This record gives sequence, C-alpha cells and structure tokens, in this order.
Amino acid sequence: SAVISQKPSRDICQRGTSLTIQCQVDSQVTMMFWYRQQPGQSLTLIATANQGSEATYESGFVIDKFPISRPNLTFSTLTVSNMSPEDSSIYLCSVTTGSAGTQYFGPGTRLLVL
Amino acid sequence: GENVEQHPSTLSVQEGDSAVIKCTYSDSASNYFPWYKQELGKGPQLIIDIRSNVGEKKDQRIAVTLNKTAKHFSLHITETQPEDSAVYFCAARSFGNEKLTFGTGTRLTIIP
Repeated sequence: SAVISQKPSRDICQRGTSLTIQCQVDSQVTMMFWYRQQPGQSLTLIATANQGSEATYESGFVIDKFPISRPNLTFSTLTVSNMSPEDSSIYLCSVTTGSAGTQYFGPGTRLLVL
Repeated sequence: GENVEQHPSTLSVQEGDSAVIKCTYSDSASNYFPWYKQELGKGPQLIIDIRSNVGEKKDQRIAVTLNKTAKHFSLHITETQPEDSAVYFCAARSFGNEKLTFGTGTRLTIIP
C-alpha cells in the first residue's frame, strides 16, 4: 500500500489568486494522478503527473490553469491558478503501486473560493 | 472510451441486513475493478478490488463478484453496521491503460 499526505488539508481563497497543493508519498511510485471532486459528484481526472516531463492533461483541463510539477518519485504539486468560485472542489492526489497497479488516494484538499 | 454506470445512487438498509451495489462497464478490455469507500471529509479508501481472472473475492463482510460476459460487477456488504455508512465508488481500468474510470457513486445509509 501507499501512505499519501496532502497539504493544505483545506483552504479558503479569494478569486483571482492561486493555490499550490502538495502531495507526498511514503514510497517511490511510478504513476501519480490529480483528481477533482466537485460537491456531491464523482472523481474527475485532471492530469497524470509524469516524473521528469510535463504532465498529461485530460480533456477540459489545461496547463495554464492547473500547472503540475513532479520533481521526483515521491512528490508532486498541483497549482490552481486564477481561481474562481467554480474551482471550489476537493482536489485529490492518487498513486498506483506495485506490479498490479493498485491505486490509492490521499485525504484530499478542500478548496473554497470566494 | 470506458463508461461505468453505478446503481443505485442511494441505498438505505437496516443494520444487520445486506447491501448490494452494482456497476456495469462498456470496455471488454477492462481487467481491474476496484471499489472505494469515501466517508465525509475524507479521501476515497480502497476496500476491495478484483481482476478479470477471478469471479469472486471476499474479505470478511465485503465481497465483490464479476461477470465478464455481462460486463458487470457488484459489491456485497453483509451484516451491515453503522460505520458502513458512506459513499461507495466502483471503477474500471483496462490493460495497458493507467487511468481508472469511476462510477457516479452510491450513498449508503445504515439505519440503526
């Protein structure tokens, strides 16, 4: 298994500002993902964070809005840029481990944009 | 791409009874099917998963069944307890694809 921590756990931000979310894993992992979960909804994949190269974004998500860094095999950041109230969501870091590719999630970052 | 449908969206059962949540998937190449439990204010927690080379897997009060022909899989919780109250998500992933496709979630409420 993998133990994943995220910082901050929650934040309240003003529109137009940016927030960087950190994800730390207790072991080296190949695949790291960032998801968004809007209130009462399912999980939507934002991007796959690739170590040493640019992230791969899903349809509807762009690098200018959600820049991602992955400097090593245990750490990644997601920035939510130029925030609007529509960005209020839970942001989740996720990793896959082992040859079977079992996927685990962090505790999430709860973001409220006013 | 893969599409995963999940039913029901809400489910209430008496404590001690069983709960069943069903998911169907569209991609016949899918071979990994995890289930997650999400409690209020927490991230999704993996509770059980099954791969396409088996038809059933059990872990104490939780079991998952897979019917590859019909392309559906189900979560079974027996002897439900109040702490089973949560939102449950099914997901599917195909071989060679790193990404999970999630169902829409089931809010399970256990009535004491």
